[in-house]
Amino acid sequence: EAQVTQNPRYLITVTGKKLTVTCSQNMNHEYMSWYRQDPGLGLRQIYYSMNVEVTDKGDVPEGYKVSRKEKRNFPLILESPSPNQTSLYFCASSTTGGTGELFFGEGSRLTVL
Amino acid sequence: AQSVSQHNHHVILSEAASLELGCNYSYGGTVNLFWYVQYPGQHLQLLLKYFSGDPLVKGIKGFEAEFIKSKFSFNLRKPSVQWSDTAEYFCAVRGAGGYNKLIFGAGTRLAVHP
Repeated sequence: EAQVTQNPRYLITVTGKKLTVTCSQNMNHEYMSWYRQDPGLGLRQIYYSMNVEVTDKGDVPEGYKVSRKEKRNFPLILESPSPNQTSLYFCASSTTGGTGELFFGEGSRLTVL
Repeated sequence: AQSVSQHNHHVILSEAASLELGCNYSYGGTVNLFWYVQYPGQHLQLLLKYFSGDPLVKGIKGFEAEFIKSKFSFNLRKPSVQWSDTAEYFCAVRGAGGYNKLIFGAGTRLAVHP
């Protein structure tokens, strides 16, 4: 089954404790992206990747890092989480350089205390 | 600035009522337009999209949307909603040709009562 898989789905952590949210897709998509969803703000792009070893900042990259060492994986790293990063995070992937339909993961709800 | 505006943040309807959700965008140039749906506790799924051609686009589950270029609008419609349509709906726009960031609206939360 074609899918985008995120882990963990739910996480409660404390300020400053590094964490990684993993994202993996099995559709051989070149393009992958991370979004955060906040009430009243819709989805805002954090980082995106056009292909392996190619990443770029989205609208709200501060406090986040990403890497794209393999085509299927695109982890989101919070080196020192803060309460304002409490949010619902979605990973998405697409073919054709990000011009096709986006396929979303199930979401990861992160709470930073 | 590029942006998407969804007029209603919350909509409450009874089953069998007709639905129209407004979406206006601000973007210079040719655009691709999308509606995504997010059912409670689930991920976003594509409802329908417009790239070119017939401005009236039909999607899944009886939804349709009409692109009106002169009004920069892409409103979503359904003639008769069901309880299972309860979800959050997001309009999104992207510049056509090459890679351009997908810009989402703030979303409209629809509640359908039996």
